[in-house]
Amino acid sequence: DAKTTQPTSMDCAEGRAANLPCNHSTISGNEYVYWYRQIHSQGPQYIIHGLKNNETNEMASLIITEDRKSSTLILPHATLRDTAVYYCIVGATDSWGKLQFGAGTQVVVTP
Amino acid sequence: DTEVTQTPKHLVMGMTNKKSLKCEQHMGHRAMYWYKQKAKKPPELMFVYSYEKLSINESVPSRFSPECPNSSLLNLHLHALQPEDSALYLCASSQDPGGAYEQYFGPGTRLTVT
Repeated sequence: DAKTTQPTSMDCAEGRAANLPCNHSTISGNEYVYWYRQIHSQGPQYIIHGLKNNETNEMASLIITEDRKSSTLILPHATLRDTAVYYCIVGATDSWGKLQFGAGTQVVVTP
Repeated sequence: DTEVTQTPKHLVMGMTNKKSLKCEQHMGHRAMYWYKQKAKKPPELMFVYSYEKLSINESVPSRFSPECPNSSLLNLHLHALQPEDSALYLCASSQDPGGAYEQYFGPGTRLTVT
C-alpha cells in the first residue's frame, strides 16, 4: 500500500495558488518526499523533493511540517497546463530509487 | 538532453506474438526502470536496473523479460502476453539508484494485446 494519503481531486482557478496537501504519517527518517505529476496520456514529470527543509524551484514550493508527517505542494500561479494528476511519494535513499505511486490528486485548473 | 525516448509509441500484438519495447537515455544515468500503468491507475514498478544489472523484479510474470544491453538502453521483451497485460508501459531513468535523485520518464508505449 502507498505510504501517502492525498485528496482525490481539487479544483483551482487559473492565476491563483494551488495548495496540494499530502499526509505521510509513517515516514521514516531516511525517506524523502517527492512530488511528480502526470498530464493526461504523458509520462510522469518530476516536480520537487525534500527531506525536512522547505524547498523551492522554478515549478513549485514544497513545505514539510516540522514533524515530517505531512507536506504541501504549492503551485504559485496555476495555469491551465497545470491540470494533471499530482502524486506525493515517499522514498528512501537506500531503496534502489523505488517510487511507490498512490492514487494521487486530480487537479483541474479552470479559467 | 534530458529526454528519455521510448519506441514504439503504440503496439498491438496477439497473444502468441513476441515483441520488444525499447527505451533509451543519453544522460549518463546509471539506474533505469520499467513501470506498468493500467487505465485510470497509478504507475506500478516492474523492474529496476542499477549499473546494467537487474536489482529489483517486483514479482513480474516471466512473459515479461527485461534486458539492459548497455548503460543507455533498456529493453522489455514480451512473449505470450494476455489481454490483461494491455497497458501503458513507462520507462524512467535516474542518475543513480542510491541517493535522492529525480526520475525522468519517457512518454510510454501503449500496448494492446488482442
